[in-house]
Amino acid sequence: NAGVTQTPKFRILKIGQSMTLQCTQDMNHNYMYWYRQDPGMGLKLIYYSVGAGITDKGEVPNGYNVSRSTTEDFPLRLELAAPSQTSVYFCASSQHPTNEKLFFGSGTQLSVL
Amino acid sequence: RKEVEQDPGPFNVPEGATVAFNCTYSNSASQSFFWYRQDCRKEPKLLMSVYSSGNEDGRFTAQLNRASQYISLLIRDSKLSDSATYLCVNSGAGSYQLTFGKGTKLSVIP
Repeated sequence: NAGVTQTPKFRILKIGQSMTLQCTQDMNHNYMYWYRQDPGMGLKLIYYSVGAGITDKGEVPNGYNVSRSTTEDFPLRLELAAPSQTSVYFCASSQHPTNEKLFFGSGTQLSVL
Repeated sequence: RKEVEQDPGPFNVPEGATVAFNCTYSNSASQSFFWYRQDCRKEPKLLMSVYSSGNEDGRFTAQLNRASQYISLLIRDSKLSDSATYLCVNSGAGSYQLTFGKGTKLSVIP
């Protein structure tokens, strides 16, 4: 049982480059989330989705975009990467919002230089 | 702004010790409360939910005090494998956004 799968695990970008972080879950969860975690800080919600075709902004959405064309996939797009986007990114999913266990992917360490 | 505050530690305790963490939250409308565990460079994993009546899972006990707006986690008979960062998490009513604390680091020493 794979759970939540994120790729890549590590990536170095140059300022201004773009990339997509992939996230796939095989638990048929409706709710999916993207968080970022800066060193010594709590996780911050970037975007979330309540089902295929529906996405909404979280606390720190600037510089990112998402899409949810299927229940399984929730990619995060970084356009014009900036050093402030250097962080660890976690994708997560849950069957119900907020009152149930979040299943996290293993994370993507992104450095923008 | 809705915040969750935790003592970052580190808490360095010997094996077998009992250790307690507290966490305060500012959103009085919070409905759900959790403790997550995060190992170094790994993803967070749910340790336990926190219920109004308090709950226990083996060596771990969680308590909620709504009047004072804090939750606690008690770990008895600490093991080396308990070394990790413990994240306090809560959610607001009608919100999809969970608020994560910065975490409390625990090191259990032989």
